[in-house]
Amino acid sequence: AQKVTQAQTEISVVEKEDVTLDCVYETRDTTYYLFWYKQPPSGELVFLIRRNSFDEQNEISGRYSWNFQKSTSSFNFTITASQVVDSAVYFCALSERRNNNAGNMLTFGGGTRLMVKP
Amino acid sequence: DTEVTQTPKHLVMGMTNKKSLKCEQHMGHRAMYWYKQKAKKPPELMFVYSYEKLSINESVPSRFSPECPNSSLLNLHLHALQPEDSALYLCASSLHLAGEQFFGPGTRLTVL
Repeated sequence: AQKVTQAQTEISVVEKEDVTLDCVYETRDTTYYLFWYKQPPSGELVFLIRRNSFDEQNEISGRYSWNFQKSTSSFNFTITASQVVDSAVYFCALSERRNNNAGNMLTFGGGTRLMVKP
Repeated sequence: DTEVTQTPKHLVMGMTNKKSLKCEQHMGHRAMYWYKQKAKKPPELMFVYSYEKLSINESVPSRFSPECPNSSLLNLHLHALQPEDSALYLCASSLHLAGEQFFGPGTRLTVL
């Protein structure tokens, strides 16, 4: 069984602060993928990043950065100099390849609601 | 075209109605998905189609009936729903299984 834990249910910051969203996962597979999605109030899930289990390089995209640490089964997401438009629910998700190729099942964490105040 | 579209955006139906949700993508993706999301919860997978064939059915009640008429379209037929089925229904697609999934804006369903 796989599991994704986002321990922070809600975070509130003031604009321009840096904020880190934590994600810890459990899986018995050696091949898997990790994702982050953003869900603004409009409801659409916006894809942010995909990481495969063999690639532990950290990634930076503008104000966003991700820290993947296999040793601690964590895939944390940092927003630098947060803005009001960053306010959303952020989901971390884990996907494992099924042996029978039946499908790619995403297991989502419970989500972290980020509120950025002006 | 890099988006997944869903219609309608909102739907209110009675428990005896029959309605359908529609999802469309023109990105050449061969895997399509239906998810259900209740308020303040993460999305839950309902169905997966791969190359227009049903690949996964996550023990969803038969009052939800998916259909994939072609590689760009995915429907979800609804019949005799219960009030607890009220939720946001999200469609997603990916180039192939294990690829990143791109989501549509969702249909907010209310069952009276």
